Amino acid sequence: VQLVQSGAEVKKPGESLRISCKASGYTFTNYWIGWVRQMPGKGLEWMGIIYPRDSETTYSPSFQGQVTISVDRSISTAYLQWSSLKASDTAMYYCARQAGEALFPNYWGQGTLVTVSS
Amino acid sequence: AIQLTQSPSSLSASVGDRVTITCRASQAISTALAWYQQKPGKSPNLLIFDASSLETGVPSRFSGSGSGTDFTLTISGLQPEDFATYYCQQFHSHPLFFGPGTKVDIK
Repeated sequence: VQLVQSGAEVKKPGESLRISCKASGYTFTNYWIGWVRQMPGKGLEWMGIIYPRDSETTYSPSFQGQVTISVDRSISTAYLQWSSLKASDTAMYYCARQAGEALFPNYWGQGTLVTVSS
Repeated sequence: AIQLTQSPSSLSASVGDRVTITCRASQAISTALAWYQQKPGKSPNLLIFDASSLETGVPSRFSGSGSGTDFTLTISGLQPEDFATYYCQQFHSHPLFFGPGTKVDIK
């Protein structure tokens, strides 16, 4: 199992962004994928989760309406996107495959650092 | 939403020490709890799931216990590579929050 995330991004406030997480080594549609935020020097924050087979998505209340989680089943890739970035979105973002029916992550991507600065 | 607290928030220990970290849930979650280790600049790594099941490849000095609202992670014989931050996460119900973390550093 491997999750490879897209590279670091530097953006300005108000810009849009989509980061990716390409999965390999397993059947993409069989396992939930989640996204986790880690702001500089802070802890892990659960953002939301998607089931690639039918795109069923659940968001943490803190992130509902702030980001969009999606997948492209044809290329086994999950996405996290913003329509209008804020400086407070500066963080490391991890994708993580859940273990199965039990929704805890057992495989993690390497992280994508997003920096939002004017 | 189910909230998690961890104690202590940080601790200093020596190689060989027995270390115990506590995670408390705001409501009962049965054994739907996982523990992760994160080293600086690295992705988190799963240690324990279902409160007490050791993930494949994780050293046996790590153990977990508890059910309901109170859980513990124990490191029996701290090794130099164990200095890191440890997080619990509940997967009983959405949102699947993490605890705030416990940093273990060298005394």
